[in-house]
Amino acid sequence: SQKIEQNSEALNIQEGKTATLTCNYTNYSPAYLQWYRQDPGRGPVFLLLIRENEKEKRKERLKVTFDTTLKQSLFHITASQPADSATYLCALEILTGGGNKLTFGTGTQLKVEL
Amino acid sequence: GAVVSQHPSWVICKSGTSVKIECRSLDFQATTMFWYRQFPKQSLMLMATSNEGSKATYEQGVEKDKFLINHASLTLSTLTVTSAHPEDSSFYICSAQRLAPPYNEQFFGPGTRLTVL
Repeated sequence: SQKIEQNSEALNIQEGKTATLTCNYTNYSPAYLQWYRQDPGRGPVFLLLIRENEKEKRKERLKVTFDTTLKQSLFHITASQPADSATYLCALEILTGGGNKLTFGTGTQLKVEL
Repeated sequence: GAVVSQHPSWVICKSGTSVKIECRSLDFQATTMFWYRQFPKQSLMLMATSNEGSKATYEQGVEKDKFLINHASLTLSTLTVTSAHPEDSSFYICSAQRLAPPYNEQFFGPGTRLTVL
């Protein structure tokens, strides 16, 4: 069966450290993998997209890696800040004829403490 | 940037009534919009894909007669929850896809919290 798994337990880290979140998937062949941030009671906000033929993508303090052999993506936030506290979702994008469908993981809650 | 709005942001209704939720792309045209549902502590689950001018495509297990979707224009899609019941209480989120080759990005609305009493 198809699965997208993220750390189900909350991740607590100290301010200034690097947070690393994991996304593993099975029985998917995504064209793209995306990471989103979601705050309580809000819709997801797009952070980064990485293509199947890319190994790594960076944007400011964010870095995403994508290993299609391991079927895994890692999401890093360097120099983390309390404002980074949120739930982070990975999503696989599957190309279809009528619009690209996104399938989301369950999300990992990150808490950055002072 | 591309902005997607939803209205209302929250709604409380009695069991058996119908509720309409609007999703608008404010500064771009969206040929495709998507509707998701999110239960507490769970991820977003795609309910249906809506293409302008045609019938929506529903995901397996989603009742098309209960969740009516209309995508009448390039900037507006509506989701109507008919004969709502308490188990339909959830957070409903839409997204709109902007055509910008080579990649057609999705932009998400802020969500609508539905509570059915």
